[in-house]
Amino acid sequence: AQSVTQPDIHITVSEGASLELRCNYSYGATPYLFWYVQSPGQGLQLLLKYFSGDTLVQGIKGFEAEFKRSQSSFNLRKPSVHWSDAAEYFCAVGSDNTGGFKTIFGAGTRLFVKA
Amino acid sequence: EAQVTQNPRYLITVTGKKLTVTCSQNMNHEYMSWYRQDPGLGLRQIYYSMNVEVTDKGDVPEGYKVSRKEKRNFPLILESPSPNQTSLYFCASSLAGGPHNEQFFGPGTRLTVL
Repeated sequence: AQSVTQPDIHITVSEGASLELRCNYSYGATPYLFWYVQSPGQGLQLLLKYFSGDTLVQGIKGFEAEFKRSQSSFNLRKPSVHWSDAAEYFCAVGSDNTGGFKTIFGAGTRLFVKA
Repeated sequence: EAQVTQNPRYLITVTGKKLTVTCSQNMNHEYMSWYRQDPGLGLRQIYYSMNVEVTDKGDVPEGYKVSRKEKRNFPLILESPSPNQTSLYFCASSLAGGPHNEQFFGPGTRLTVL
């Protein structure tokens, strides 16, 4: 069965420091991978997505993610974190089902940014 | 402005009292979906709709109903709410049904069932 694992429930980084959020997935075929961000009291917003091609993808707000098939990972990175990046981040995989499709989300990683 | 709207944003109710959470999108999207978000569990899909009059169960459909009579609307119905349905609910839509499509999310509805 498809699944998404985000090993870190929460992470704290200092403003200006680099960030890496981990995501591992389990999926039989080529996955459709997403990172979404949820700011406090808001819905989810897409940061970036990967379907094929270059394994390093760029997203909004200075984020990037790298797809590593051998490790079944799709980690999110940012070279310098800003206080406004404090939010919850969700990795997700889109999967095909007969007659439809579903998106499976990880449990999320909450990012705290300290001054 | 392109958006997904949900109403109400906050709701406190009692066990067994039927309620409906509305969802509407103005982007002419074919695909719509409902999720619930619970701490430590992320988002879990309740129901989805590939198009008008086409709905299907997600991972946690028990206790919920949906309908899709118009393209823009996808209400979530709780016929007899129970305390274990206390959660944060999100409606989402995408241009078409497909695993590669970005979903656009509403602001969420926080439901408390006493």
